[in-house]
Amino acid sequence: EVQLVESGGGLVQPGGSLRLSCAASGFSFRSYYMHWVRQAPGKGLMWVARISSDGGSTSYAESVKGRVTISRDNAKNTLYLEMSSLRGDDTAVYYCARPLNGGFDSWGQGTLVTVSS
Amino acid sequence: VLTQSPLSLPVTLGQPASISCRSSQSLVHSDGNIYLNWFHQRPGQSPRRLIYKISTRESGVPDRISGSASGTDFTLKISRVEAEDVGVYYCMQGTRGYTFGQGTKLEI
Repeated sequence: EVQLVESGGGLVQPGGSLRLSCAASGFSFRSYYMHWVRQAPGKGLMWVARISSDGGSTSYAESVKGRVTISRDNAKNTLYLEMSSLRGDDTAVYYCARPLNGGFDSWGQGTLVTVSS
Repeated sequence: VLTQSPLSLPVTLGQPASISCRSSQSLVHSDGNIYLNWFHQRPGQSPRRLIYKISTRESGVPDRISGSASGTDFTLKISRVEAEDVGVYYCMQGTRGYTFGQGTKLEI
């Protein structure tokens, strides 16, 4: 069974930094691109970032580019999202997601990031 | 841009429901596929994919749920709404990057 478990969320002040993790199991993690998707409270879904299976290629949404870094450790089956210069509009539940057939077939439970003073 | 309608959909149990998702451009990928997905999200839960490539149901999705397309207009249909269908439905395209529709809230 595919499992994705996010962690690392919490309350952070504006301008602060945070690192999110996503522990993967139940599938060959090193064979898949991986993604982060976020959802602001009461709002819709927004794609955030993508990383290739070997970590050599990354892509970001314009709204987070330059402030966010996606990375992975295939030996640990773990995906990361480093966030800095955080703003109030970064407040959201952050999901890691596995891509398949042009969409996301598996999602984690999400981790909440709250940016507030 | 994906534009969903309606944004709110009150339905009666046992009655059909339909959600539209219109794309501002062609979603035909260079490989010939159209990567249009539908997700369902219940309150407090993660999204669950129901359909991919316009009309292919994920394992476990009942056949009363279906997807179709006409050009750049995509439709999710539920033939007979059940209580478990409440929540928000999102379309998502994976042809040119990844973008989601605004969501449609289905309520009984």
